[in-house]
Amino acid sequence: GQQLNQSPQSMFIQEGEDVSMNCTSSSIFNTWLWYKQDPGEGPVLLIALYKAGELTSNGRLTAQFGITRKDSFLNISASIPSDVGIYFCAGDFGNEKLTFGTGTRLTIIP
Amino acid sequence: GAVVSQHPSRVICKSGTSVKIECRSLDFQATTMFWYRQFPKQSLMLMATSNEGSKATYEQGVEKDKFLINHASLTLSTLTVTSAHPEDSSFYICSASPPLNGQPQHFGDGTRLSIL
Repeated sequence: GQQLNQSPQSMFIQEGEDVSMNCTSSSIFNTWLWYKQDPGEGPVLLIALYKAGELTSNGRLTAQFGITRKDSFLNISASIPSDVGIYFCAGDFGNEKLTFGTGTRLTIIP
Repeated sequence: GAVVSQHPSRVICKSGTSVKIECRSLDFQATTMFWYRQFPKQSLMLMATSNEGSKATYEQGVEKDKFLINHASLTLSTLTVTSAHPEDSSFYICSASPPLNGQPQHFGDGTRLSIL
C-alpha cells in the first residue's frame, strides 16, 4: 500500500535542541495526524490537523498542514529525554483509513 | 480521553496454533475499528477495517481466511490469526475512533505475536 515519505529517517540530537521533521505525499489528504510510538507500545496521538494551512501547537510541539494538503511538518522545541521515540505522520482521505509515514526515529545524545 | 485496550500484550506459541487478539474501546462505542500490522523497524500497515454487525473489509494482499475479524459489539473487535506460522510474527495494533465526526483514531498498546 501507499506510504507517506517522512524525513529524516533518524535524528541524533542533544538535549535542549529543537527538532524538525516533515512528511510528503503525492496524494491530497483531508486530515493529517502526528503520532509518537515508544518501543513495544501503540502510537499516541500528538497533533491532529484538519485544514490546509492550519498551524497547531501542543506544548513544545508545533505542526502545520501544508497548503497543498500534500505535506506537513512537526517541530519539537527544547527537546527533553522523554521525547525519544519514533514519530509517525499519518494521512486520512476522509474514510478513516490511515496511511502512515515511514517514521522518524529520534535519539537524544547524552 | 478515549482509551483503547488490547489483550494480550504478548503471545508466544507454536506454529500451527490459532491466536485470538482482543481490542476494546473502554469509554466510547466504536462502530468501526481498525487492525494494523507492524514488522520490526517498519511503519504501520492497515490490514482490515472491522465493522460492528457486518463483515470486515480487508486491504489488498491480506488473506481474510487467515486473519478472521469479529466485531460483535460496539466495544469489542477480535482478530484471530489462524494456523499461525513464523512469518505471521509481528506487532498487531488496533485502533478506534470516538463516535463524534472527525475525531482522530486512538490506538491500543499492541500485541507482540511470536510464532516458534
